Amino acid sequence: AQSVTQLGSHVSVSEGALVLLRCNYSSSVPPYLFWYVQYPNQGLQLLLKYTSAATLVKGINGFEAEFKKSETSFHLTKPSAHMRDAAEYFCAVSGGATNKLIFGTGTLLAVQP
Amino acid sequence: GAVVSQHPSRVICKSGTSVKIECRSLDFQATTMFWYRQFPKKSLMLMATSNEGSKATYEQGVEKDKFLINHASLTLSTLTVTSAHPEDSSFYICSARRPGTGDVNIQYFGAGTRLSVL
Repeated sequence: AQSVTQLGSHVSVSEGALVLLRCNYSSSVPPYLFWYVQYPNQGLQLLLKYTSAATLVKGINGFEAEFKKSETSFHLTKPSAHMRDAAEYFCAVSGGATNKLIFGTGTLLAVQP
Repeated sequence: GAVVSQHPSRVICKSGTSVKIECRSLDFQATTMFWYRQFPKKSLMLMATSNEGSKATYEQGVEKDKFLINHASLTLSTLTVTSAHPEDSSFYICSARRPGTGDVNIQYFGAGTRLSVL
């Protein structure tokens, strides 16, 4: 069985500040991990993915995430927030025969001017 | 990049009518597509996995007679909400699996369909 926990349903940062969105996972098989972003009334856009290669993954829009097996974490970071980063962010895990995506409950990121 | 088109983006219908939502992979062939439902301020709930040329696999608790899925070609899957009722109002999102290199398959998402049943 697989699951994802996103700590903090709402995160607010100032423009230019560090963004840290937390994600912990549980998986009985080696996981694939993803971060998606969703803007209002839109579908999901893939930010980055971990696929058992490098543990530090760089994605689009300046985001990156580090896979830490010992902590079962895959936190998303960005050094400097922009107003356009305001959106909902979902962490997801997949793996095993079905490769279904299991999503966390999402974190709404607000960026204050 | 991989593009998935979903149509319509928004639909309003009367209770008791049926609504069809289309999901197309525009620049790749998708043997597998997925349908999700998203409630307000909630995460995505997988409804079913749609496989080209075969019956869809529904998740537990999803009524297959209520949510009909047809994956007739490698680029098109449709979700039909039959005899829609107000409780079916939701945001429906499709995704298509693009076979990639290595051992992971990435899902690319459509823009979603906002269904409102009056």
